Amino acid sequence: DIQMTQSPSSLSASVGDRVTITCRASRSISNYLNWYQQKPGKAPKLLIYAASTLQTGVPSRFSGSGSGTDFTLTITSLQPEDFATYHCQQSLNSFPTFGQGTKVEIK
Amino acid sequence: EVQLVESGGGLVQAGGSLRLSCAASGLTLQNYWMGWVRQAPGKGLEWVANIKKDGSEKNYVDSVKGRFTISRDNAENSLYLQMNSLKAEDTAVYYCARYIMMAVMFDAFDIWGQGTAVTVSS
Repeated sequence: DIQMTQSPSSLSASVGDRVTITCRASRSISNYLNWYQQKPGKAPKLLIYAASTLQTGVPSRFSGSGSGTDFTLTITSLQPEDFATYHCQQSLNSFPTFGQGTKVEIK
Repeated sequence: EVQLVESGGGLVQAGGSLRLSCAASGLTLQNYWMGWVRQAPGKGLEWVANIKKDGSEKNYVDSVKGRFTISRDNAENSLYLQMNSLKAEDTAVYYCARYIMMAVMFDAFDIWGQGTAVTVSS
């Protein structure tokens, strides 16, 4: 199994801040990495696939980068609607695995 | 409107069974891989199982192998998860989701249901 580890587990930030979340894979997954946003009581929403490609309709303040084992999700100029939990997920094979999630809270 | 709607969750005793259903509207399930993802209270997402378009390939996370069975009825445009020998650690919200090739070789869960809650009492 490929283990996915996110850091930090949670962070506090203010509106307008730049936020970076890291996801590390236990072995190389090339760029088979997706990011999801989840708000309380709601289903996850796909933000980014293939490590850096924005899903249709996702604001350009979201960006993803990385390859191999280390990936980042960056939110430039955090907006009120961005306070949520973010999950990474590897899609290298038919056994997808998720990170434990990163909760972005209001400072 | 494209929609996935889960049902069948509830409270069950350890060792019991439940069958979850996922009904699709606005999309034809037979064209896609589908999967189940769960989220235990206060925890992250965990992929549970997925199934190929025609049902010929099924994959499971190790913790549910031999206990859970994913299936689909493309004529009914529905996805199912039969859960047997349930354990307290299976308590979670279960989501069905479409697992689609977003770009060549790159798959992602792009459409999700609202989830159905399963509680296993010990």
